[in-house]
Amino acid sequence: EVQLVESGGAVVHPGGSLRLSCTASGFTFDDHAMHWVRQAPGKGLEWVSVISWDSGSTYYSDSVKGRFTVSRDNSQYSLFLQMNTLTTEDTAFYYCVKTSIPGLAAPFDHWGQGTLVTVSS
Amino acid sequence: IQMTQSPSSLSASIGDRVSITCQASQDIANSLNWYQQKPGVAPKLLIYDASNLQTGVPSRFSGSGSGTDFTFTISSLQPEDIATYYCQQYDHLPPLTFGGGTKVEI
Repeated sequence: EVQLVESGGAVVHPGGSLRLSCTASGFTFDDHAMHWVRQAPGKGLEWVSVISWDSGSTYYSDSVKGRFTVSRDNSQYSLFLQMNTLTTEDTAFYYCVKTSIPGLAAPFDHWGQGTLVTVSS
Repeated sequence: IQMTQSPSSLSASIGDRVSITCQASQDIANSLNWYQQKPGVAPKLLIYDASNLQTGVPSRFSGSGSGTDFTFTISSLQPEDIATYYCQQYDHLPPLTFGGGTKVEI
């Protein structure tokens, strides 16, 4: 059974930093690109970032580019999101997402339960 | 690529046929997915590649379309279908854009 478990969400002050983690199991982690998707409370879904299976390619939404960094450790079946210079606009549930097939752009067939990041003074 | 989803909400009766549309700002071929999200739960993939039913998803759900215009249909609305539905394009990266969502209520 595929499982994606996020952790690291917390309350942080504007301008602060946070590192999210996602631990994967139940599939061959290094066969798949991995994504982060976020959802502000009561709002819609927003794609954040993707990293290829080998960390060779990464992409970001314009809203986080230059502030967030995605990385992975295939030996630990783990995905990370380093979030710097946080603003209140970054307050959201952050989901770790697996693609259905190898490749950066593909349907999202498994999602984690999400971890809440709250940016507030 | 912008994804325009409509309506933003709808109210229907049990057994009704329900349709949601999603329009892409440019041709995305069939690179379109539909997700269902219930309150407090992560989204779930229902339809991929515009018209393919994800494994385990009831056959009352269906999708159609290609290019810029897509439709998601529930043939007979059930109480457990109360949720918000999102379309998503994956033809162009970055970003992988979602529609604004459609909240389906009874």
